Amino acid sequence: ILNVEQSPQSLHVQEGDSTNFTCSFPSSNFYALHWYRWETAKSPEALFVMTLNGDEKKKGRISATLNTKEGYSYLYIKGSQPEDSATYLCAFPHSGNTGKLIFGQGTTLQVKP
Amino acid sequence: GAVVSQHPSRVICKSGTSVKIECRSLDFQATTMFWYRQFPKKSLMLMATSNEGSKATYEQGVEKDKFLINHASLTLSTLTVTSAHPEDSSFYICSATAANYGYTFGSGTRLTVV
Repeated sequence: ILNVEQSPQSLHVQEGDSTNFTCSFPSSNFYALHWYRWETAKSPEALFVMTLNGDEKKKGRISATLNTKEGYSYLYIKGSQPEDSATYLCAFPHSGNTGKLIFGQGTTLQVKP
Repeated sequence: GAVVSQHPSRVICKSGTSVKIECRSLDFQATTMFWYRQFPKKSLMLMATSNEGSKATYEQGVEKDKFLINHASLTLSTLTVTSAHPEDSSFYICSATAANYGYTFGSGTRLTVV
């Protein structure tokens, strides 16, 4: 059974703080690692698809790194804003690039003004 | 970008009735659609994978007669919760995928069975 773990489960930070959270996944048979941002009552929004060991991707104040050998990815948010409040999900494709995604339980971020 | 529309967003039904949830890919043809369920404080759990024109593949522990999935066209998949009971109350969300489109999610359906 594939296991994708995220930590912490929830996080409360002040506006302007930088923060990061972790996704752990199986290091064998790696295809890709997906990060999603999910706001209440909306569709999960794709942030990054990480494929290569050592990858670092950036989207505005959000960036992610990937270590496929040890099976983890970090998501960083620099200078958190209240609009960053959401649940951040990572997902691991079971097989291939259009195979089923196995999700972590998510990290819920609350940014206080 | 790719858009997936899911309806209804919320539904309340009586115990014993059936509820249909629709998932449509609006601007691309989805070769595969996935149906997920989210239990409180848990991750999205995959229920089934459906490919257009063929029977859905259900994950272990998911009752195929309880959760009927139809994928009649490349743009529409439906999930019918049959003879719903309060324990079926949950959040259900679909995801559609095709080559070069990645995974695109609907906005989910909150089902409450009373």
